[in-house]
Amino acid sequence: NAGVTQTPKFRVLKTGQSMTLLCAQDMNHEYMYWYRQDPGMGLRLIHYSVGEGTTAKGEVPDGYNVSRLKKQNFLLGLESAAPSQTSVYFCASTTARGRGGTGELFFGEGSRLTVL
Amino acid sequence: AQTVTQSQPEMSVQEAETVTLSCTYDTSESDYYLFWYKQPPSRQMILVIRQEAYKQQNATENRFSVNFQKAAKSFSLKISDSQLGDAAMYFCAYRFPTGANSKLTFGKGITLSVRP
Repeated sequence: NAGVTQTPKFRVLKTGQSMTLLCAQDMNHEYMYWYRQDPGMGLRLIHYSVGEGTTAKGEVPDGYNVSRLKKQNFLLGLESAAPSQTSVYFCASTTARGRGGTGELFFGEGSRLTVL
Repeated sequence: AQTVTQSQPEMSVQEAETVTLSCTYDTSESDYYLFWYKQPPSRQMILVIRQEAYKQQNATENRFSVNFQKAAKSFSLKISDSQLGDAAMYFCAYRFPTGANSKLTFGKGITLSVRP
């Protein structure tokens, strides 16, 4: 069972470079999320999507863009990476209560991004 | 906006003893989910226990139980018979069940160490 898969797992960037993190889920979930985790800050929501073709800003959206062209995929882009974006990024997904969801989010394994 | 507060950044417990991790939250909603997630050094996010706000009975999962006080907006996690494998970071989280506001909000986490 693949669940939620994030690629890449590790990446080192130079300031100003761009990159895309891919999140793929095989559970037919409607809701998908991107979080970043920094020491002492917990997990903070960057962007999320409540369905294919929809996206919304979370708590810390600046410097990131997202797209959800297919239901199973949620892409997080950094157009011009900055050292402040050095973090561990988590993707997660879930389904609605009305579709049998139990409320919990299912997480990927995380992607460690370092911006030099 | 919903907020989740974990005021203790670190706790320590002797193996086989009981420890309680505290969490408070703020919401104006009556229907929501509360969770405790565990993050071991592997950084994988693991669901420990889930509570639905409309259920008065406190959730229990083996050695893990919660004390859910809805009026006080308190959601503490009790770990009984602590084991070395319980050492991890623990996050309390809140989620509104459906729709565009259905995102998981985390506390900043607490690092639990277990003394042999």
